[in-house]
Parts: sequence; structure tokens; C-alpha cells
Amino acid sequence: NAGVTQTPKFRVLKTGQSMTLLCAQDMNHEYMYWYRQDPGMGLRLIHYSVGEGTTAKGEVPDGYNVSRLKKQNFLLGLESAAPSQTSVYFCASSSQGASEQYFGPGTRLTVT
Amino acid sequence: GQQVMQIPQYQHVQEGEDFTTYCNSSTTLSNIQWYKQRPGGHPVFLIQLVKSGEVKKQKRLTFQFGEAKKNSSLHITATQTTDVGTYFCAGPGGGGSNYKLTFGKGTLLTVNP
Repeated sequence: NAGVTQTPKFRVLKTGQSMTLLCAQDMNHEYMYWYRQDPGMGLRLIHYSVGEGTTAKGEVPDGYNVSRLKKQNFLLGLESAAPSQTSVYFCASSSQGASEQYFGPGTRLTVT
Repeated sequence: GQQVMQIPQYQHVQEGEDFTTYCNSSTTLSNIQWYKQRPGGHPVFLIQLVKSGEVKKQKRLTFQFGEAKKNSSLHITATQTTDVGTYFCAGPGGGGSNYKLTFGKGTLLTVNP
């Protein structure tokens, strides 16, 4: 099992460009999460999903959109990237709400 | 809303010294989880505590959950260079949802060999 995978691993965008980050899990987990991690700020929840076809806002959702069309995939979109979105993005999944979470390796995004 | 606070933010120790990080929640928690993130890596689940006053050990690591289920601690005995990383605690809830975790900002541990 690959666990949780994320693509791409690194990306540089110019301000105003758009992109989609892909998260995939092969553990048949219902719950999936997108976090961003900035120095000194810990892990902040962007959006999450409690099942296929559902999404919900987290702590810092502005500027991001998500979709969960298939149970195993959770996509994070940036429609118009801003320098403030420079961060490391982690996807995670869990079998039950607020139980042990399995994290992907992360995507390092730089917006210039 | 729910807040999870950790102290200290940073801790530098000599190899062989002990280390403790503390976690406090603004609300009572149904459980508390601990994660470790190595430099350049991703968070990895260490343990979950559920019962009031619970103590669990993993080799040199000792985890405690407070009687009021609002605080927790992680203690490492005789640190080694392999213990380097950021340790996060996390509790369920926040924002009116029990489907997600609220993470503390973490304690970065560095170990001088």
C-alpha cells in the first residue's frame, strides 16, 4: 500500500496563476483533510471531507477550493495564487472522524 | 473556538538529557493524539490517549493525559539524536465539528550530540 500520496512535490507559481494539488489514498478512508504548514504556525486546516461528494471549510479556507469526486482522491485548487499562499501543503486521511490521521509527504509551493 | 496550546515552542538539549513538552486545550477533549514530524518530513502519528489520567509508554517516551482531559504531556527520557523533530499534540473538535483535529503549534526539539 502506498498510503497517502501527493502530487506534485514541488511547484513554483507566479501571482495570479492557478493550480491543483492532488491527494490520493489507498486505505479506503472516509475522511480526508488539507492542511498548510508555515513556520511557527503549526498545521492549519484548509478544507476537509467526511466522505465522497462532501467538503467543508476548515480554519483557513479563503483562496482555496476542494473537490472529492472519488473516495480515494481529494483535490485542492488555487484559482488565483498569491504570495501569501507560499507554504507546505499536507494532505491527510483517517478512517474515522478525528481519529489517527495518515499524512502524505507534502507539496512545497512557492508563489512569486 | 477550541484552542490547543503547546509549550515550549523550542527546546534544545544535550544528548542524554530529558525533554518534556506540554499541551493544553481550552476545552475538554474526548482524546488527545501526539504526532512527530522529522525535519523535512511529514507528521507521523505516535499515540492516542483516551482515558482521564491515562499514561502510556513507548520505549523512552511517556505520554500522559490529564485528569480533567484538558492537558497532556510527552516526556522523553535520555534523548538521542534520532528524537530530533517537531512534536505536535492534537485534539478532536474545533469549529463545531468533531470530524477534525485541532493541532497545537508544536515543540521543536533539537539534540546536541
